[in-house]
Amino acid sequence: ETGVTQTPRHLVMGMTNKKSLKCEQHLGHNAMYWYKQSAKKPLELMFVYSLEERVENNSVPSRFSPECPNSSHLFLHLHTLQPEDSALYLCASSQDVSSYEQYFGPGTRLTVT
Amino acid sequence: SQQGEEDPQALSIQEGENATMNCSYKTSINNLQWYRQNSGRGLVHLILIRSNEREKHSGRLRVTLDTSKKSSSLLITASRAADTASYFCAADMKTSYDKVIFGPGTSLSVIP
Repeated sequence: ETGVTQTPRHLVMGMTNKKSLKCEQHLGHNAMYWYKQSAKKPLELMFVYSLEERVENNSVPSRFSPECPNSSHLFLHLHTLQPEDSALYLCASSQDVSSYEQYFGPGTRLTVT
Repeated sequence: SQQGEEDPQALSIQEGENATMNCSYKTSINNLQWYRQNSGRGLVHLILIRSNEREKHSGRLRVTLDTSKKSSSLLITASRAADTASYFCAADMKTSYDKVIFGPGTSLSVIP
């Protein structure tokens, strides 16, 4: 257990569905991250939040919408996804954005049909 | 392009042997981190080496950093079957805001 939990662990959704991924960290960290990990591709940083403010957005399609209501919770809202969005979505947190190791959740395995 | 690039992409060794993985990066860094990932799970932080450090140990892990060559290596000594996993380096870039970029990873298989 790393202190970062993600739900659900597995999700299958159609292209017209709307769903949300949830991440919660119990470490008192100030920064949280969403990553996408596709087969045989490097980990892709999607969003970074520091103290509930978004500080990084790596040109992610608008069908992915993050929300950080407080420093312990991070959501990724999904709508009208494409099959190529199928991947492992990882949440991570760190003490602060700069120069600290990140603690990862177990991930949500997303399949878009 | 990726900041961190691991080499080799895949490595298969016998239990008890040492495993060495290399990482190269392109720009100045604050630190370099190594992570491990078991299949389909989240990444686990192994070790962080700062730009002013040259070598660091943690148990059976030894990490070196050569900032002149922009490279790092991770050595796992006396490997065990349980070390089978993917290993990633992550370069913490010196930019106007700190940013960590992960490499594509080395897949290590330790055969009992």
